[in-house]
Amino acid sequence: GQQVMQIPQYQHVQEGEDFTTYCNSSTTLSNIQWYKQRPGGHPVFLIQLVKSGEVKKQKRLTFQFGEAKKNSSLHITATQTTDVGTYFCAGLNTNAGKSTFGDGTTLTVKP
Amino acid sequence: GAVVSQHPSWVICKSGTSVKIECRSLDFQATTMFWYRQFPKQSLMLMATSNEGSKATYEQGVEKDKFLINHASLTLSTLTVTSAHPEDSSFYICSARDAGQRTDTQYFGPGTRLTVL
Repeated sequence: GQQVMQIPQYQHVQEGEDFTTYCNSSTTLSNIQWYKQRPGGHPVFLIQLVKSGEVKKQKRLTFQFGEAKKNSSLHITATQTTDVGTYFCAGLNTNAGKSTFGDGTTLTVKP
Repeated sequence: GAVVSQHPSWVICKSGTSVKIECRSLDFQATTMFWYRQFPKQSLMLMATSNEGSKATYEQGVEKDKFLINHASLTLSTLTVTSAHPEDSSFYICSARDAGQRTDTQYFGPGTRLTVL
């Protein structure tokens, strides 16, 4: 079945440093979504990427979708303590009719 | 907008009892809802897809007779954990897709923490 790999599993950074998490799918995706889950909270939708090579920005967050629509990345510039949490990617395979979540990358930020 | 509620937020029960968890879309209609299970510091594991007015689609390895799903209306899906055992203790999260949007965005509920003694 479809597999979505996400690396790294954990990332510890100093406040102000950049952070990137990568997502790779075993199959071509229809779209990919990114979610953030704060400690003790539930996943919150961040963004959806649909087009090959698409790049979207939300303030300090930059999301990319690979040309082959099998990988994606989330980059945070100049991290802040409010960025802590686990970031999940979720890839949609239309044939399967469902999204598969990556294992998540947990970000901790040291002030 | 796009708020999903879950009830209860937490529940403690004795082994052998059944527990019902409700998932409601408060300000939109959801023809499709999803039920996930999440273990501590792990990812979301899809258990089943709940479709309004039809039978749920269960993922491989998920016992449909143990995890009963009912999606009787466009705003409500329920998950019943029957004859719960300690190994069923987990964080159960539902999500819903807005039927009025041409998007696959899932809006998540706050989750239900189940502890089976």
